[in-house]
Amino acid sequence: QVQLVESGGGLVKPGGSLRLSCAASGFTFSDYYMIWVRLAPGKGLEWVSYISNSGSTKYYADSVKGRFTISRDNAKNSLYLQMNSLRAEDTAVYYCARNHLGYSNYEGYYYYMDVWGKGTTVTVSS
Amino acid sequence: SYVLTQPPSVSVAPGQTARITCGGNNIETKSVHWYQQKPGQAPVLVVYDNSDRPSGIPERFSGFNSGNTATLTISRVEAGDEADYYCQVWDSSSDHLYVFGTGTKVTVL
Repeated sequence: QVQLVESGGGLVKPGGSLRLSCAASGFTFSDYYMIWVRLAPGKGLEWVSYISNSGSTKYYADSVKGRFTISRDNAKNSLYLQMNSLRAEDTAVYYCARNHLGYSNYEGYYYYMDVWGKGTTVTVSS
Repeated sequence: SYVLTQPPSVSVAPGQTARITCGGNNIETKSVHWYQQKPGQAPVLVVYDNSDRPSGIPERFSGFNSGNTATLTISRVEAGDEADYYCQVWDSSSDHLYVFGTGTKVTVL
């Protein structure tokens, strides 16, 4: 069945680094854009970064731009998020999700997330 | 940037109907998607493209989008529907791209 499994979370000091991984199975990984979304304590969902199916296009939320790097290895069916210069406000559960592409005559192309992993917890604290 | 506004909370008795609104400027021109998130669990897509349901989602979940408001309706509410619900749209006109609503906590009384 379609599955996403995140790993790599943990406790890190401010200014430190972590690399999250997401292993995909049950679908043709290279056909899909992928995204990282986070849920901070007491907050709502926030998209962090997304990457095209080939890896050539990457976007970042303003809150992580310049500090986080998204990448993927289609041969390994894996998605990654390298997080540097971590701050307390990066504390969250990080989810990887599969992007589904939709189209409407009025809106053009759009994306939503149709499959989610269970998440991995990142805690930034001294 | 595009903003989606949801009520912080909705309370409903079992068997009744819960309606969760998602307000946005001229939102009817966008495709709205809804996610359910229970504590400690991953989000689950419950409605996409305003009113379609993924396989496995009960017919009790329905969506509608008109004017400046999209609505997720949960009919015959069950205790297991207690969760946070988020609406989401795609905003290609800005760098914000994926826009989530502020989230609504549904409490089953």
